[in-house]
Amino acid sequence: QKEVEQDPGPLSVPEGAIVSLNCTYSNSAFQYFMWYRQYSRKGPELLMYTYSSGNKEDGRFTAQVDKSSKYISLFIRDSQPSDSATYLCAMSGDYGQNFVFGPGTRLSVLP
Amino acid sequence: GAGVSQSPRYKVAKRGQDVALRCDPISGHVSLFWYQQALGQGPEFLTYFQNEAQLDKSGLPSDRFFAERPEGSVSTLKIQRTQQEDSAVYLCASSLTFPGQGQSYGYTFGSGTRLTVV
Repeated sequence: QKEVEQDPGPLSVPEGAIVSLNCTYSNSAFQYFMWYRQYSRKGPELLMYTYSSGNKEDGRFTAQVDKSSKYISLFIRDSQPSDSATYLCAMSGDYGQNFVFGPGTRLSVLP
Repeated sequence: GAGVSQSPRYKVAKRGQDVALRCDPISGHVSLFWYQQALGQGPEFLTYFQNEAQLDKSGLPSDRFFAERPEGSVSTLKIQRTQQEDSAVYLCASSLTFPGQGQSYGYTFGSGTRLTVV
């Protein structure tokens, strides 16, 4: 079993839909949680960062962390075709020196 | 520069060749990371530098892989005697802070070097 699991998709939704992306993990030491967006042939771009449990909102994006369930989510409201990309979750321990990434979920938002 | 710059963008190497991949981090960024991303997978950690010190190289897959950052800025990842399984995108990322500082720190990634070993 991998340390971080993520449904690889692909996930196709119509423009304007609410998208829910999720990751589960097994290491209870993880404290820092991030979501990255990666366009084809580009490096990952940081979208959201959360420390420990709770919710964080930034524009159309909301990140949720449930440490008791070892489950994190990213919600995208009013999805746009420009949101079509691979979404990677990443996490690290309290004094971790590197982040462990999930395999990524490919999202297509259809006009 | 404004972002993390990696060169070359693409590299084709014959099996057994040595390659060197360069990373120019954002000026002043203390932390520098190398990741390997296979097709359809998430990035996997290779090594971490804090300034010029290589603090973690636990992710390097074999002793054919070597990384350096001699002056605490530009870093080079070298792969000796390349094998087909080394084919991947090699990503460099830098961060202003270093892990454990207890504050928000995100990595800024470069666009990567796509290595194909034939």
